[in-house]
Formats: sequence, structure tokens, C-alpha cells
Amino acid sequence: QQQVKQSPQSLIVQKGGISIINCAYENTAFDYFPWYQQFPGKGPALLIAIRPDVSEKKEGRFTISFNKSAKQFSLHIMDSQPGDSATYFCAANVRGSTLGRLYFGRGTQLTVWP
Amino acid sequence: EAQVTQNPRYLITVTGKKLTVTCSQNMNHEYMSWYRQDPGLGLRQIYYSMNVEVTDKGDVPEGYKVSRKEKRNFPLILESPSPNQTSLYFCASSPGTANTGELFFGEGSRLTVL
Repeated sequence: QQQVKQSPQSLIVQKGGISIINCAYENTAFDYFPWYQQFPGKGPALLIAIRPDVSEKKEGRFTISFNKSAKQFSLHIMDSQPGDSATYFCAANVRGSTLGRLYFGRGTQLTVWP
Repeated sequence: EAQVTQNPRYLITVTGKKLTVTCSQNMNHEYMSWYRQDPGLGLRQIYYSMNVEVTDKGDVPEGYKVSRKEKRNFPLILESPSPNQTSLYFCASSPGTANTGELFFGEGSRLTVL
């Protein structure tokens, strides 16, 4: 059973546009929602993360929107640039859990055309 | 430089020939984990370790073994590799013995089993 569902699988955006990637979860115990960015030939790297006590977190051009009642969260990339072309993974976990599990979505391959 | 180092980065082997992928981190992290990445399936956890001599199964542990005899090292062992283990493998580490959700990934090991 997939704990975190991510869409779309791929996304093509023109330079300067807004990229939006969506994720949904079922487990209400999740309390930490990170996004990871992966460039070709590299390992994923933590990009931005949010706790469910806030509805939005912004870091530069990257914003996470969180809807606790709908159990959904999304990544918005404003003014998308060709350098943002990468695979993005959402994830969720119970922070501090002794179970040691971080659940990933299946990833979104973003291409930003110049 | 803080990093997670995996070796080998690329390997082609044949069915049934035992192999080990090494992983080492220099950040004194307690938590370490192995993932495999396959197209359309995202990152799936194989095994994780909360501390020395403490390991547990992830989502896809079949066909793999791990050991954690030292804090810095977490090797992944394929006793009898099969073609369905052809994949891109990532080792990751995180500070603390609890699951923080903040993972530091290695650059990956691409394994092909013929």
C-alpha cells in the first residue's frame, strides 16, 4: 500500500512559469513532510520541509502548501528555471518515530524549457 | 566535507555472484538506510539501521542483507543477485537514533545483474 501518492509523474513547464506538484497521504500520524530534489546522476537532497501546524512554508522560489483536513500537500516552484529541471520526491514520516520509516512518493520529473 | 560515500558507483555482474555495496558516512550519524530507485516506482526502502547492531526491514528486503558493526559503515549484501535486483541503489544517513526525515544521500550505485 502506497503511503504517499504523488502526481503528476512528469511535468513540462516553460521558463518563468509555475510548477506545481501534488501529494496526498492517509496516515494522520504523519507529522513531517519533506520534499527532496534529485538531479541526474546525483542522490536526492532535502529541498524544503513542513510541519502540519502551518499551512504554508516559503523558501525563495519554493513554497509548500499544506492542507491538513484534505491530507494533501503540494510544492510550488515560482518563476521556474531550466536549472530546476530535476526529479522531485515528496515524503512523509512520524518524526522521532522509533520505526525509522520515511515514506516517499514515486517522484515527478520536472523539465523546464528555456 | 560531510558526505555519504558508496562503492562501487557502477557494477555489472552475473546472476548468483555474491556482491557487497559499501556505504560510509563521516557525519557521526546514528541512522542509516538503503533505498533502491526504479523508474516509476520512486525510492523504496530496503533496510535501515537506527544504531550499531540495530537493523530492520524496509519495504523490499527480500534478497538483501545488511550489517551495522560500526557507526560509520552500513554495507548492503546481495548473496545471490538476480536480474530483478538490477537497480540504482542509494545509501542515506540521518542524525539521531529517531527518524528525523532529514536524510543525507550518497551519489548512488548502479547495479546491473545479467
